[in-house]
Amino acid sequence: EDQVTQSPEALRLQEGESSSLNCSYTVSGLRGLFWYRQDPGKGPEFLFTLYSAGEEKEKERLKATLTKKESFLHITAPKPEDSATYLCAVRLISGNTPLVFGKGTRLSVIA
Amino acid sequence: NAGVTQTPKFRVLKTGQSMTLLCAQDMNHEYMYWYRQDPGMGLRLIHYSVGEGTTAKGEVPDGYNVSRLKKQNFLLGLESAAPSQTSVYFCASSFSREGAKNIQYFGAGTRLSVL
Repeated sequence: EDQVTQSPEALRLQEGESSSLNCSYTVSGLRGLFWYRQDPGKGPEFLFTLYSAGEEKEKERLKATLTKKESFLHITAPKPEDSATYLCAVRLISGNTPLVFGKGTRLSVIA
Repeated sequence: NAGVTQTPKFRVLKTGQSMTLLCAQDMNHEYMYWYRQDPGMGLRLIHYSVGEGTTAKGEVPDGYNVSRLKKQNFLLGLESAAPSQTSVYFCASSFSREGAKNIQYFGAGTRLSVL
């Protein structure tokens, strides 16, 4: 069964302490991987989309990378305003489900 | 530009009551989606639509119905609400399923409690 797994479930960082979030997928065919940010009480907000192994995208302190089996969201020198839940989703070649979401990583950045 | 707008924002129902959640988008998107988000479960697709007048089932469609009579609107109905339908419901829209046009834009959510 196709599956998207995010780790860790929760991460607590000091301001300026860089780290990475992981999204691994076990799917028969990938046609895109998406990263979203979700703030409490709000809907998910699009960050990045990646399509092929080796691809990288950057936005401010965030950098997303993709391999054949996983994606990483690297956070460099995070600030308290980066605190949110980060969601990963995959678009599959087969099946009718447009996107399959992971359960998310809840990031807290402490000043 | 409002993007994706959901109404209502909050609702409390009694078991057995019915209600309709409304989603409206002003981006001329072809695709629209309804998700539910529960603690520890992530976002799960309920139903989606690939265009006006068409709908399809997602991962968890039981107990819900949908309609897409106008391109900009997507309605989610609960005919007889159950406590298991207590959740946060999100609507999203996208241009299509392919490439960058598959980017889904989400509304702010509807928080539903069924007592």
